[in-house]
Amino acid sequence: GAVVSQHPSWVICKSGTSVKIECRSLDFQATTMFWYRQFPKQSLMLMATSNEGSKATYEQGVEKDKFLINHASLTLSTLTVTSAHPEDSSFYICSARDKEGQGDYGYTFGSGTRLTVV
Amino acid sequence: RKEVEQDPGPFNVPEGATVAFNCTYSNSASQSFFWYRQDCRKEPKLLMSVYSSGNEDGRFTAQLNRASQYISLLIRDSKLSDSATYLCVVKGTGGFKTIFGAGTRLFVKA
Repeated sequence: GAVVSQHPSWVICKSGTSVKIECRSLDFQATTMFWYRQFPKQSLMLMATSNEGSKATYEQGVEKDKFLINHASLTLSTLTVTSAHPEDSSFYICSARDKEGQGDYGYTFGSGTRLTVV
Repeated sequence: RKEVEQDPGPFNVPEGATVAFNCTYSNSASQSFFWYRQDCRKEPKLLMSVYSSGNEDGRFTAQLNRASQYISLLIRDSKLSDSATYLCVVKGTGGFKTIFGAGTRLFVKA
């Protein structure tokens, strides 16, 4: 089945630094990728939707200059958390949808990245 | 009102028990419905889609009630390995926006 590889699995960084998270579709072309954030005991919250070759669409309240998304190819999307602060500590998960994913099974999740900003 | 609401639980049940979760949604135009399972510190994984006619997969039964705008998940003969958080997921119209419920935590004990 479709596989999405996400890394790093976890990262600890100092406040003020930037962190890049990669999400790769391994055996399909991901025309659309989604980036979610999940705080402990809370729901997944969609941050942005990225389409290959175009600008990402950010959800209300998500700062596009802080969370930079690049979807330069059909198999790779990156999320860069710029000038990270402790309140950015969270679980970030990507999800990809392939060209053929028009039905209910189009979403495949990466394994997530646990970011801790100290 | 939240777009998708679930009872957060936790539900603590013994092995072999039958447990049911409900999830309500506010957008009557919602098109697709799913149950995902999420283990602690892991990514969500699709458990099953929910069809209007109801569907069953082994010990799991999912149902949709469009009139009352809720979906349900029934787990029969609970196993220890069923312990997880179950997320109700609703896909809206006008694009690919998908809304996740906050999840219901289930603990199955020996």
